[in-house]
Amino acid sequence: KAGVTQTPRYLIKTRGQQVTLSCSPISGHRSVSWYQQTPGQGLQFLFEYFSETQRNKGNFPGRFSGRQFSNSRSEMNVSTLELGDSALYLCASSLLGGGGQPQHFGDGTRLSIL
Amino acid sequence: SQQGEEDPQALSIQEGENATMNCSYKTSINNLQWYRQNSGRGLVHLILIRSNEREKHSGRLRVTLDTSKKSSSLLITASRAADTASYFCATEFRGGADGLTFGKGTHLIIQP
Repeated sequence: KAGVTQTPRYLIKTRGQQVTLSCSPISGHRSVSWYQQTPGQGLQFLFEYFSETQRNKGNFPGRFSGRQFSNSRSEMNVSTLELGDSALYLCASSLLGGGGQPQHFGDGTRLSIL
Repeated sequence: SQQGEEDPQALSIQEGENATMNCSYKTSINNLQWYRQNSGRGLVHLILIRSNEREKHSGRLRVTLDTSKKSSSLLITASRAADTASYFCATEFRGGADGLTFGKGTHLIIQP
């Protein structure tokens, strides 16, 4: 069974631009969550999608948004990029989400803002 | 602030020795999970322990949970060079409404 796939692996952008990251969950998994990992703040929850609906959201500004498609694939968008958005963005999938289940992570997209 | 805090921040031991990492958290939880992250890679799930469980085993891994002390420990027995990685505890409460809340991790180095 293929794991969680994130594309691209690396991305370089400049301040003010926007970016879209993609995540393909494990086949059959319906829940997709996104996390941001930085040296200073560690791992922080962004949001969770289930059946094309955002079910939970972390404490991030509205510049961070996402969506989920009918095949459970998910995209995350960050607009008006800031230097502080430089991070490793991780996507995780689980069968049903909603807590109490192991999360399966992809290898992430490393975003660098110049 | 983060829910879980691992201790120690870094640990270096010889291959074959046991490694113990601790995690403390602040509020009541539904469950606690441990993950491993190799440099530049994603997180790998190790063990999930529910709030009504006290101990779980998986291969060379043993996790304990003490809800009265709001703490958990991860024991890796007979360590191997391949165990070199960062280890994170992650707590979940409110039915996962806030996702997983991670600590800053313990960086484990196994010396050959």
